[in-house]
Amino acid sequence: AQSVTQPDIHITVSEGASLELRCNYSYGATPYLFWYVQSPGQGLQLLLKYFSGDTLVQGIKGFEAEFKRSQSSFNLRKPSVHWSDAAEYFCAVGGMDSNYQLIWGAGTKLIIKP
Amino acid sequence: ETGVTQTPRHLVMGMTNKKSLKCEQHLGHNAMYWYKQSAKKPLELMFVYNFKEQTENNSVPSRFSPECPNSSHLFLHLHTLQPEDSALYLCASSQIGRPGELFFGEGSRLTVL
Repeated sequence: AQSVTQPDIHITVSEGASLELRCNYSYGATPYLFWYVQSPGQGLQLLLKYFSGDTLVQGIKGFEAEFKRSQSSFNLRKPSVHWSDAAEYFCAVGGMDSNYQLIWGAGTKLIIKP
Repeated sequence: ETGVTQTPRHLVMGMTNKKSLKCEQHLGHNAMYWYKQSAKKPLELMFVYNFKEQTENNSVPSRFSPECPNSSHLFLHLHTLQPEDSALYLCASSQIGRPGELFFGEGSRLTVL
């Protein structure tokens, strides 16, 4: 079955500290992978995507993610978080198996400690 | 106006009311989507339109009725809703050929009493 798991419902990080948000997926075909961010009261915004090629992808706002096929993971990282990064982060997978529609994780809420 | 605009931002309705949600995209995209977002649950895809034609309907109850008069506008007509339909309804658009690259509106927060 196709699914995306974000194991952490919420994570608290101090401002300036590094961040890693976990994402694991189950998908039969070659996956396209995405991270989206939703700030309070806002819609979702695409942070970065992986289709093929280099498994380390760079996104907006200083985020990066690494695709590890052997672990079925696509974890999101940032070396130093800012208070403005407080938001909810969603991982998603798509491809031929889902008619290119996205399968979404339930999200991880990031809380920033001053 | 730029991006994807949704109106109204908030809506409270009784179970016997009829209301509509509106979405407009100013990005020149040719695919539009309705998603339902409930707390602590993954986004649920409701409907997809490509070039005004409905291509996905994920077993959505008939009390939700979409309408896509052109590639820039999308409506969700609501009638005889249930309290469990209370949620944030998100509209998104994309360019066909760029799978998964969605542009979202800010959503319409629906409360059904």
